[in-house]
Amino acid sequence: DIQMTQTPSTLSASVGDRVTIACRASRSISSWLAWYQQKPGKAPKLLIYQASSLESGVPSRFSGSGFATEFTLTISSLQPDDFATYYCHQYNSYPYSFGQGTKLEIK
Amino acid sequence: EVQLAESGGGLVQPGGSLRVSCTASGFRFSGDAMAWVRQAPGKGLEWVSSISGGGISTFYADSVKGRCTVSRDNSKNTLYLEMSNLRVEDTAVYYCAKGVARGQFDHWGQGTLVTVSS
Repeated sequence: DIQMTQTPSTLSASVGDRVTIACRASRSISSWLAWYQQKPGKAPKLLIYQASSLESGVPSRFSGSGFATEFTLTISSLQPDDFATYYCHQYNSYPYSFGQGTKLEIK
Repeated sequence: EVQLAESGGGLVQPGGSLRVSCTASGFRFSGDAMAWVRQAPGKGLEWVSSISGGGISTFYADSVKGRCTVSRDNSKNTLYLEMSNLRVEDTAVYYCAKGVARGQFDHWGQGTLVTVSS
């Protein structure tokens, strides 16, 4: 099974900051990685798929990169609406798996 | 507009059974794989199960294999998860999610809470 490890677990930042969240896969998943945003009490929302493709309707300040085992999600200029928890998700092979999440907090 | 609506959650005793459902609208249901993802209180997301568009292929997490069965009725645009021999650690919000292409989930329901407790 493929394990997904996100770092950091918690990130404190300010509006306007550029932030990066990392996700590492225990073995190569090619580009089969997605990123989701989740706010308290709400369902996750797809942001990025296939490592770097922006989902329709998602602001362009979100971007993804990486291949094989190392991936990043970058928010170029944090907005108040971006404070949430972010998850990576590998769909290279079953069983699918998620990272443990990164909580983005207001500094 | 794609909509997914889960139902059937509730309180069940350890060892009991429960079936949760997900009714879909706004897309060609039979053309897309579907999945169940759960989230225990205060915890992260855990993939539970997936099923192909035609319902022929099914996949399960080790944590539920042998205790859960995923199915779908494409004539009713409905996805199901039948759970048996439930454990306290199965307590979670269960989300249904629509799969796209290779496998990312582009739409999610609002979730239904399953509580396993005596």
